[in-house]
Amino acid sequence: KAGVTQTPRYLIKTRGQQVTLSCSPISGHRSVSWYQQTPGQGLQFLFEYFSETQRNKGNFPGRFSGRQFSNSRSEMNVSTLELGDSALYLCASSSRDSSYEQYFGPGTRLTVT
Amino acid sequence: GQQVMQIPQYQHVQEGEDFTTYCNSSTTLSNIQWYKQRPGGHPVFLIQLVKSGEVKKQKRLTFQFGEAKKNSSLHITATQTTDVGTYFCAGLIKAAGNKLTFGGGTRVLVKP
Repeated sequence: KAGVTQTPRYLIKTRGQQVTLSCSPISGHRSVSWYQQTPGQGLQFLFEYFSETQRNKGNFPGRFSGRQFSNSRSEMNVSTLELGDSALYLCASSSRDSSYEQYFGPGTRLTVT
Repeated sequence: GQQVMQIPQYQHVQEGEDFTTYCNSSTTLSNIQWYKQRPGGHPVFLIQLVKSGEVKKQKRLTFQFGEAKKNSSLHITATQTTDVGTYFCAGLIKAAGNKLTFGGGTRVLVKP
């Protein structure tokens, strides 16, 4: 089976812009979770989607949003980018939900200047 | 704030030696997962522990879940250079709405 894919792999944006990141889970996986990874804060949970419904949400401002499509692919959007949003954004899929083993994608490295 | 803590944050190990990394939660965990992230890579699932007092082994790696389901440990014997990376524990906290909460990770450096 193909692994989790994320696009783009690298992105440079300017403060104030918005960005959309994409994640394609492993075939058959219905749960997709998003994480932000930074050197100072580690892995922070953003949200989890299951069958197109947001199941859980982390403690991030409303500028961070996501959605999941009927084919389980997921997108994450960040509006009004701030310098502090620079991070590695990881997507993980699971066969059931995030209480089970998660398979991570390679991540999208976002740099905000 | 972060509810799952890992210590130590960094671990310098001589090749061939053993070491242990610890994971502690302020609340009871439904389960705990361990992941390894190689430098420049993404986290890779290692194991999941569910039962109180559970012990699982994977070759040189031994994972334990505490009796109170609030702590866990990963012990690696005879460390090799391939063990380099950051080891994360992730606890499922029902009180937090069943969110998987990651610890800060233990970054392991191996001296040959």
